[in-house]
Amino acid sequence: EPEVTQTPSHQVTQMGQEVILRCVPISNHLYFYWYRQILGQKVEFLVSFYNNEISEKSEIFDDQFSVERPDGSNFTLKIRSTKLEDSAMYFCASSRQGWNQPQHFGDGTRLSIL
Amino acid sequence: DAKTTQPNSMESNEEEPVHLPCNHSTISGTDYIHWYRQLPSQGPEYVIHGLTSNVNNRMASLAIAEDRKSSTLILHRATLRDAAVYYCILRGAMYSGGGADGLTFGKGTHLIIQP
Repeated sequence: EPEVTQTPSHQVTQMGQEVILRCVPISNHLYFYWYRQILGQKVEFLVSFYNNEISEKSEIFDDQFSVERPDGSNFTLKIRSTKLEDSAMYFCASSRQGWNQPQHFGDGTRLSIL
Repeated sequence: DAKTTQPNSMESNEEEPVHLPCNHSTISGTDYIHWYRQLPSQGPEYVIHGLTSNVNNRMASLAIAEDRKSSTLILHRATLRDAAVYYCILRGAMYSGGGADGLTFGKGTHLIIQP
């Protein structure tokens, strides 16, 4: 069964540095998402992406975050200047179509900010 | 978004059926009921969804009350691998921007399976 893959599985970064988290969504999917989960807390929606532009974003997704689909397969989340509170699991998801289709999640990247 | 209420945790025995309840008394007529689960150290996983009629798939069954104010996820024969946090999520029918809406996760129900 096709799956969403995320790299790296664990990223350690110094505070203030830029970090890029990478995702390869399922190949025929058109909608892409990023979520985060701080340790012990709920999964939180960050942003959705469709047709090469942001479709929806949450209050968490401020100017330090950006997303890009640089080629036909990768979907990236960039955090420009990381803060300690950005430490979390970041999950990428994709769905074939929009609102009522299941979202398929990767196993996440654990981001640790020192 | 309409709110859902789930028990914090439930415990069941292996190879027995499990019924996970969800209350959504403010559900609107066009909201779909979705269930996801999150196994330890993994990303969320889609389980099932429905609108009004009961639904079955290879993973589970979804029983929806006639007034749609509650639903129950049924695992017919629980295994140790079903130990996870189960999330009941409502998804509305009308969105702008191509319909790429994010899921709103609550705290879910932590299902413990005893061998």
